[in-house]
Amino acid sequence: QVQLQESGPGLVKPSETLSLTCTVSGGSISSSYWSWIRRPPGKGLEWFGFIYYSGNTNYNPSLRSRVTISLDMSKNQFSLKLTSVTAADTAVYYCARGMSAFSAFDIWGQGAMVTVSS
Amino acid sequence: EIVLTQSPGTLSLSPGERATLSCRASQSISSSYLAWFQQRPGQAPRLLIYGASTRATGVPDRFSGSGSGTDFTLTISRLEPEDFAVYYCHQSNYSPRTFGQGTKVEIK
Repeated sequence: QVQLQESGPGLVKPSETLSLTCTVSGGSISSSYWSWIRRPPGKGLEWFGFIYYSGNTNYNPSLRSRVTISLDMSKNQFSLKLTSVTAADTAVYYCARGMSAFSAFDIWGQGAMVTVSS
Repeated sequence: EIVLTQSPGTLSLSPGERATLSCRASQSISSSYLAWFQQRPGQAPRLLIYGASTRATGVPDRFSGSGSGTDFTLTISRLEPEDFAVYYCHQSNYSPRTFGQGTKVEIK
């Protein structure tokens, strides 16, 4: 059974880069579409974008200028980098799987809380 | 960007009652690409319904989805204690993918 686990720093300073990794276990990353999603405190869910094992990506235009999603097939991991963070980027960050470019997210990680503060 | 508007914002009901949650899209979307998620406090979202009406694996049959075009509904026929949570609708028909703001189902 495929499982996802986020990892990375829980505290990031303003203007710095937030970096998170999602490790895929119980299955191969070389299929499916891999996304990042966040939920700021008291707000709803926001999709960052996805990456396919071929390296193709699709980003949310509202975040595209600050976001990079990449994958490491040798480690069965994919990653999120968000540059120039502010307090508004404080959120729980989730990685998730979609079986196709249009399918719903059927498997989610448990989430990683990231706080942006000096 | 497709805006999904959920109503009501909060639904206060008792166990055993029926819950009806609405999701309205700012433009028509294919029902194949409308999903519902449940999120309990401290947990990740869980896929309940995809394709507007198909229950995900392991989802009890008290959950049902319906709708088409711009109007979609999630119905919980008889609320169990574990059903009190926040529910989100989600569209994957158009990029960027978007979510509704959520409906909280709370114990009355």
